[in-house]
Amino acid sequence: EPEVTQTPSHQVTQMGQEVILRCVPISNHLYFYWYRQILGQKVEFLVSFYNNEISEKSEIFDDQFSVERPDGSNFTLKIRSTKLEDSAMYFCASTALSGGGQPQHFGDGTRLSIL
Amino acid sequence: RKEVEQDPGPFNVPEGATVAFNCTYSNSASQSFFWYRQDCRKEPKLLMSVYSSGNEDGRFTAQLNRASQYISLLIRDSKLSDSATYLCVVNRAGSYIPTFGRGTSLIVHP
Repeated sequence: EPEVTQTPSHQVTQMGQEVILRCVPISNHLYFYWYRQILGQKVEFLVSFYNNEISEKSEIFDDQFSVERPDGSNFTLKIRSTKLEDSAMYFCASTALSGGGQPQHFGDGTRLSIL
Repeated sequence: RKEVEQDPGPFNVPEGATVAFNCTYSNSASQSFFWYRQDCRKEPKLLMSVYSSGNEDGRFTAQLNRASQYISLLIRDSKLSDSATYLCVVNRAGSYIPTFGRGTSLIVHP
């Protein structure tokens, strides 16, 4: 079964540094998402992306965050100047079709630890 | 009232037991409903979509009650491997944004 893949599996970064999390969505999917999950808390939507632009974003997704699809396969999340509270699991997901009725296919996540 | 609310549990049940979880949602315009399963420190995985008429997949049955704004998940004949956190996910009408509940923890013991 096709999978969403994420790299790295674990990233340790000093506070204030930039970090880029990478995702390769399922190849025929068109809609891409980033979520985060702080340890012990719920999964939170960050941003959705379609046709090379952001479709929706949450209040969490402030100016420190950006997303990009630099080529035909990768989808990246950049955090410009990391804070301690950015420590979390970050999940990428993709769907073939649009709309909230589509179940999400998640990657296995990147654990981000900010020191 | 939280947008999507679940009893965090844990529900501690013996193998073979039947267990049910509920999830309430606050937005009456919600249109799509799902149950996901999440193992510790892993990604959420779709367990099943929830349809208006209710649906079953093997030992798992999902129901939707729009009048009372809740969905339920019933697990029959629990297995040790069912131990996980079960996430309720609700999508608002006209939005791509899925809202996750905090999850209900299930522990199935021998």
